Amino acid sequence: ILNVEQSPQSLHVQEGDSTNFTCSFPSSNFYALHWYRWETAKSPEALFVMTLNGDEKKKGRISATLNTKEGYSYLYIKGSQPEDSATYLCASPTDSWGKLQFGAGTQVVVTP
Amino acid sequence: GAGVSQSPSNKVTEKGKDVELRCDPISGHTALYWYRQSLGQGLEFLIYFQGNSAPDKSGLPSDRFSAERTGGSVSTLTIQRTQQEDSAVYLCASSLIELQAHEQYFGPGTRLTVT
Repeated sequence: ILNVEQSPQSLHVQEGDSTNFTCSFPSSNFYALHWYRWETAKSPEALFVMTLNGDEKKKGRISATLNTKEGYSYLYIKGSQPEDSATYLCASPTDSWGKLQFGAGTQVVVTP
Repeated sequence: GAGVSQSPSNKVTEKGKDVELRCDPISGHTALYWYRQSLGQGLEFLIYFQGNSAPDKSGLPSDRFSAERTGGSVSTLTIQRTQQEDSAVYLCASSLIELQAHEQYFGPGTRLTVT
């Protein structure tokens, strides 16, 4: 994998349901994996930055895992709420100075 | 405290005109990044400043694009002779130190429309 890729492109989730989606990234020359949440008309907000293989991070109902050997990360949303509706971006630095390569994002829509 | 701010929030310009986009990073953040998101595309790196060193301009799409950062703080991205393909949301981000494992704080963006 040469680029950061995310799937699916979009998700429609019923309120209360849990969901997850994937980020694939180049596993060679790995520095870190970033997850951001971008709500419409707002700034992208950092959720997690992970660096170690096997890392698991949690923030409220949102959690993420990291597999650097195979080059993927999962983001999980437990008990989705309408306020979770946003585009979730993952990104990986292409050098040691933090220049990020972003995936195209997964757009999550949570309906009541 | 104050986050990253950008101005203007929206800019509509005619093809061929020059535009300037401004970014005020978080005070004390030494690293500053510019990205853009064109319609249907992911966020694309443009340019990066760290401290007083020469910027990394490797993402600038053409020589019509330039950026400067004055006094290690405010940054201006200039696009000369704008083209329709320059239409995008331009995002600025800053980071406390220039390490890959540090989260970047983003501004709200400038939506540029070239008619």
